[in-house]
Amino acid sequence: EAGVAQSPRYKIIEKRQSVAFWCNPISGHATLYWYQQILGQGPKLLIQFQNNGVVDDSQLPKDRFSAERLKGVDSTLKIQPAKLEDSAVYLCASGGSSGLSSYNEQFFGPGTRLTVL
Amino acid sequence: AQKVTQAQTEISVVEKEDVTLDCVYETRDTTYYLFWYKQPPSGELVFLIRRNSFDEQNEISGRYSWNFQKSTSSFNFTITASQVVDSAVYFCAVRAQKLVFGQGTRLTINP
Repeated sequence: EAGVAQSPRYKIIEKRQSVAFWCNPISGHATLYWYQQILGQGPKLLIQFQNNGVVDDSQLPKDRFSAERLKGVDSTLKIQPAKLEDSAVYLCASGGSSGLSSYNEQFFGPGTRLTVL
Repeated sequence: AQKVTQAQTEISVVEKEDVTLDCVYETRDTTYYLFWYKQPPSGELVFLIRRNSFDEQNEISGRYSWNFQKSTSSFNFTITASQVVDSAVYFCAVRAQKLVFGQGTRLTINP
């Protein structure tokens, strides 16, 4: 079974530029998550989708970050314009269900390492 | 609010030693899940274990074991007879409404 795919793996941009990341979840997984992992810290949830609807985006800096999952499968995360503090690894994860009563393991992709200069 | 504290930032041991990684969590929810993930240098998060809040049985999987104590809100992870391949950053996490990670413990196993 193929895992969560992400691209690109690495990206270097200058501040104020725009960047987009792509995620393809495990086939059949309804839930998709984007996390930001700053160096030396644990991942922090940015946004959670259930199919193509947003479940939680409370920690997404909406003035510069946006995400979409139009067809309920692939997702893109965009930063516009980027700041120095956005340098981090952006992890995508997918899972079978967001319901607490059900098995809710998240499978993580390899991440995209973003460097903002 | 949920919070996970991994007080040990870095641990370094010699191969074959036993090592315990501490995890203390906070949540107001009575129903929640606890997790441990491993992050090797390649960067991908590898799922190790999931525990729900109603199951306090300890678990052993090969050289890995987990001790869940609800009374102290702890979910500690022990590696027995450590190996160099165990070197990685280990994250403890709690999920009630959302998955919240600790800061991680960098474990280095020296040959």
